[in-house]
Amino acid sequence: DIQMTQSPSSVSASVGDRVTITCRASQGISNWLAWYQQKPGKAPKLLIYAASSLQGGVPSRFSGSSSGTEFTLTISSLQPEDFATYYCQQANSFPLGFGQGTKVEMK
Amino acid sequence: QVHLQESGPGLVKPSETLSLTCSVSDGSISTYYWTWIRQPPGKGLEWIGYIHSSGTTNYNPSLKGRVTMSLDMSKNQFSLKLSSVTAADTAVFYCARADDTMYFDDWGQGTLVTVSS
Repeated sequence: DIQMTQSPSSVSASVGDRVTITCRASQGISNWLAWYQQKPGKAPKLLIYAASSLQGGVPSRFSGSSSGTEFTLTISSLQPEDFATYYCQQANSFPLGFGQGTKVEMK
Repeated sequence: QVHLQESGPGLVKPSETLSLTCSVSDGSISTYYWTWIRQPPGKGLEWIGYIHSSGTTNYNPSLKGRVTMSLDMSKNQFSLKLSSVTAADTAVFYCARADDTMYFDDWGQGTLVTVSS
């Protein structure tokens, strides 16, 4: 199975900050990677697919990039509604898997 | 965008079978991969498996053959059965939709199932 490792597990940030979250795959997954945002008590929401494609309706302050087996989610200017937990997901092979999550907290 | 809604018992006894249904509205259940994902309280997400509109299934081997999914086209619903449950199966269960890219673009609100006697 492909393991997805996210870092950091949590990050403290302020409104307006640039936030970067990393996800590393245990083996090559090409660009078969998605990012989700989850708020407490809610279902995850798809933000980015294919490593860097923005899902419709998602603000442009969210972006994704990749380099080999390392993937990055960047929030260019953190907004109050962005405090949440973020998960990566590999869609390269079965079983599909998620990272353990990164919680973005208010500093 | 479709609307998905999970339903089923919120409490299941150990060793019994957990059964959930996901109702799909504002769209047809034909095409797409209809998926179950779970999240233990305070923990991360685990893909359980999918059933395609053709009836093809794919389950996470970590669940060791305890999973069965089915589809009811006439009711626009799909279902999950997880047998021989233990406390470790306590989780919020989500149904979700994916296309053949296996990204989940629509989710139900989730339903908490607690395994306890």
